[in-house]
Amino acid sequence: AQSVTQLGSHVSVSEGALVLLRCNYSSSVPPYLFWYVQYPNQGLQLLLKYTSAATLVKGINGFEAEFKKSETSFHLTKPSAHMSDAAEYFCAVSGGTGNQFYFGTGTSLTVIP
Amino acid sequence: GAGVSQSPSNKVTEKGKDVELRCDPISGHTALYWYRQSLGQGLEFLIYFQGNSAPDKSGLPSDRFSAERTGGSVSTLTIQRTQQEDSAVYLCASSLEGRFYGYTFGSGTRLTVV
Repeated sequence: AQSVTQLGSHVSVSEGALVLLRCNYSSSVPPYLFWYVQYPNQGLQLLLKYTSAATLVKGINGFEAEFKKSETSFHLTKPSAHMSDAAEYFCAVSGGTGNQFYFGTGTSLTVIP
Repeated sequence: GAGVSQSPSNKVTEKGKDVELRCDPISGHTALYWYRQSLGQGLEFLIYFQGNSAPDKSGLPSDRFSAERTGGSVSTLTIQRTQQEDSAVYLCASSLEGRFYGYTFGSGTRLTVV
């Protein structure tokens, strides 16, 4: 079975500070992992994905995530937060039968000026 | 098309009425998914279509919900006898076949049942 846990439903950071959004997964098969971002009143947009190549994955808007098998984690980071990063972030795991993704409950990021 | 298109973007309906939500996936994407996002909640899987295979309906919450995909392209999600708890944003996504590919989401249909 596959599942994702996102620790912290709300995260606040100051502009220019490090962003760290946590994601832990459970998967009975080698996982493919994804981070999506959702801006207000919009659909979800793919930020980055891990598909068993490099464990450090770089995505759009300066975000990156590191796959750590020993910790079953795929945390999302950005060195310096920008006001435009304020959004909802979802971690997802794909595995098992079909293409179905299993999403976490999301983390709302607030950036304080 | 260039992206996944959903219509209408907003729908207000009276309790007990039927509604149809439409999704037009990216051309060539064989997989199509419907998810529901309620206020403050994550994404709830509803149904998945892959090519000509039988759809995975395991996420449909009740028999009031149904979906079809005609010609392997456009999909319609139908909710019969709507209830207030059906109020949510309904998201459609499509992808190429295979776990390697992420989903491309539409902007969603915001359904409000009054």
